[in-house]
Amino acid sequence: GENVEQHPSTLSVQEGDSAVIKCTYSDSASNYFPWYKQELGKRPQLIIDIRSNVGEKKDQRIAVTLNKTAKHFSLHITETQPEDSAVYFCAASRAGSARQLTFGSGTQLTVLP
Amino acid sequence: DAGVIQSPRHEVTEMGQEVTLRCKPISGHDYLFWYRQTMMRGLELLIYFNNNVPIDDSGMPEDRFSAKMPNASFSTLKIQPSEPRDSAVYFCASSGNSPLHFGNGTRLTVT
Repeated sequence: GENVEQHPSTLSVQEGDSAVIKCTYSDSASNYFPWYKQELGKRPQLIIDIRSNVGEKKDQRIAVTLNKTAKHFSLHITETQPEDSAVYFCAASRAGSARQLTFGSGTQLTVLP
Repeated sequence: DAGVIQSPRHEVTEMGQEVTLRCKPISGHDYLFWYRQTMMRGLELLIYFNNNVPIDDSGMPEDRFSAKMPNASFSTLKIQPSEPRDSAVYFCASSGNSPLHFGNGTRLTVT
């Protein structure tokens, strides 16, 4: 089955700096890659997703890049703010959708004021 | 839309007792998922349904766990008998032709 590895497990940045979280996946047939943000005590919420026919996608301060050859994808957050502090999860699916998502282990991002 | 609704939000029970977690998916979504989240194992998919039919239950840890979806608007996850190692946050999620939407979760504590 699919295996998704996520790094780093914890990340601290100064407010205004950029944060980058990286994930690798094992199944070359995976074609859907969402990112979820989970604030303390709350549910995971989708922040951005990308499909394998696209190399990069951006939404305001958040961007995701995908390298299918290397089987890795990354989340980039620019101009970080304290409210960006949360756990971020990457995931991968070969079903092209939310079915059979395999999640990474999560990254605790702390933005220091 | 109220989103995915789970109940109860918190459940504390003693080892050996039966626990039933409930979920109402978003109307119109034909996929329903049960996940378990722990510090040690992260987010694990337990089982998912499509049009009320269980499709993949390979993530269900053991026979003590069972899930049902009697209709399109309701699903249950049952643990019988419960054990302390079942303590976790259990999330229900649903999707249609759309991304996954999670409920607020049930925090289960088995003492």
